[in-house]
Amino acid sequence: DTGVSQNPRHKITKRGQNVTFRCDPISEHNRLYWYRQTLGQGPEFLTYFQNEAQLEKSRLLSDRFSAERPKGSFSTLEIQRTEQGDSAMYLCASSLGYSEAFFGQGTRLTVV
Amino acid sequence: AQKVTQAQTEISVVEKEDVTLDCVYETRDTTYYLFWYKQPPSGELVFLIRRNSFDEQNEISGRYSWNFQKSTSSFNFTITASQVVDSAVYFCALYYSGAGSYQLTFGKGTKLSVIP
Repeated sequence: DTGVSQNPRHKITKRGQNVTFRCDPISEHNRLYWYRQTLGQGPEFLTYFQNEAQLEKSRLLSDRFSAERPKGSFSTLEIQRTEQGDSAMYLCASSLGYSEAFFGQGTRLTVV
Repeated sequence: AQKVTQAQTEISVVEKEDVTLDCVYETRDTTYYLFWYKQPPSGELVFLIRRNSFDEQNEISGRYSWNFQKSTSSFNFTITASQVVDSAVYFCALYYSGAGSYQLTFGKGTKLSVIP
C-alpha cells in the first residue's frame, strides 16, 4: 500500500461548473477526512467519515459541497456551481481509530 | 474552542544551524493530542510526531526533538544541524476527542528555508 491517493492532482474549471475529486485511503483505515488549504494557511477541516457514515461536517461545507464514502472505501468530494473562492488545495487523510492521520498529496483546484 | 498559534511565519537559517519552531495551543479539554506535520513543496503533509496530553516527556528522533510543556501550552519543535532537505512548511496541529468532534485544528504554519 502506497498511502493515501488523490485524483486528479490538478483541476482547472470554469466558474459554475461542477467538479468531483476522489480519495483512496490506506486500505485498513476506517476514518477518512477532507480538508481544504488556501495559500499561506493551514488545512481547514471540511468533513469526516467513519467507515461509510459521515459523522461531522464543518460550516465551511456549504450546500454546494457534498461528500460520500460508499461502502466505507474510497471517498468523493463534489463541488457544484464552483465559485472563484473555491480555488484551493483539497486534502484527504485517513487514520485507524485515534491514530495519526496520513494525508494524500491533494487536489489543487483552480476556478477561472 | 481550539486554537493553534504558530507565531513564526517564515524562518531562514544557514545549513547546520539549529532552529526551533514554536507552537502554542489553546483548549479546554484535558485529553487531547498534539501533532507536527511537514509539508514540502510537493504538497503532501508528512506526519512527524503525535503526543497525548498526559505524556510530557520530551522526544528525540534523530535530528528532531520536541518539547511539550503543558504549563505554557507549548509544543515546540527543534531541528538540530539543519539540512537543505528540511526546507518546508511545518504545521502544528491539535486534536481532541470531546463533544463528538474528530477534526484536527492546524496552525498557519512556519515556512523554514535552509540555505546551503
